[in-house]
Amino acid sequence: AQTIHQWPVAEIKAVGSPLSLGCTIKGKSSPNLYWYWQATGGTLQQLFYSITVGQVESVVQLNLSASRPKDDQFILSTEKLLLSHSGFYLCAWSQQSNSDYTFGSGTRLLVI
Amino acid sequence: AQSVDQPDAHVTLSEGASLELRCSYSYSAAPYLFWYVQYPGQSLQFLLKYITGDTVVKGTKGFEAEFRKSNSSFNLKKSPAHWSDSAKYFCALEGPNSNNRIFFGDGTQLVVKP
Repeated sequence: AQTIHQWPVAEIKAVGSPLSLGCTIKGKSSPNLYWYWQATGGTLQQLFYSITVGQVESVVQLNLSASRPKDDQFILSTEKLLLSHSGFYLCAWSQQSNSDYTFGSGTRLLVI
Repeated sequence: AQSVDQPDAHVTLSEGASLELRCSYSYSAAPYLFWYVQYPGQSLQFLLKYITGDTVVKGTKGFEAEFRKSNSSFNLKKSPAHWSDSAKYFCALEGPNSNNRIFFGDGTQLVVKP
């Protein structure tokens, strides 16, 4: 069975500090991978997607970057956090277009 | 341009009643449509999807949805509702030519009173 693991579960970080969030998918080769951001109680904003190792497409610019160093790993990062980066970050995978997404348990980020 | 509209930000009903959460979409071609649920403090879970074929699709937790091309809707239904259905529900759209972009509605917060 496929599993998706996000880390860390939660972070409290200072404005201007760096950030790295991780996501690992096990049991599925060559998945499509996605990063989403959700403001508290808000809607979901797709940030990045990747359909293959080493290739990442940006959907919106929020002073964040993403990388896919391995087939089963997706990393979200920034060198300098902003207050507006606070929220809930969700990683997801799908088998292909028109497949349902499986979401990770998410990372809650508070920037102070 | 693709978009998803969930016109009801909040829906409150009593346990045992029928629930219907509205979703309309805008897309130039035949869309793929999804419903997801988010329980308080949790991530999203897949409920059901429409890709093609039967316009009524059944999903998990006793939910179903009907795709109506005539009015571009994909409403979520369940009867009877249970207090444990209280959650936020998101309708989503992906187009065959949307380059792996999936568009979510703003969500409907459902409260089912015991």
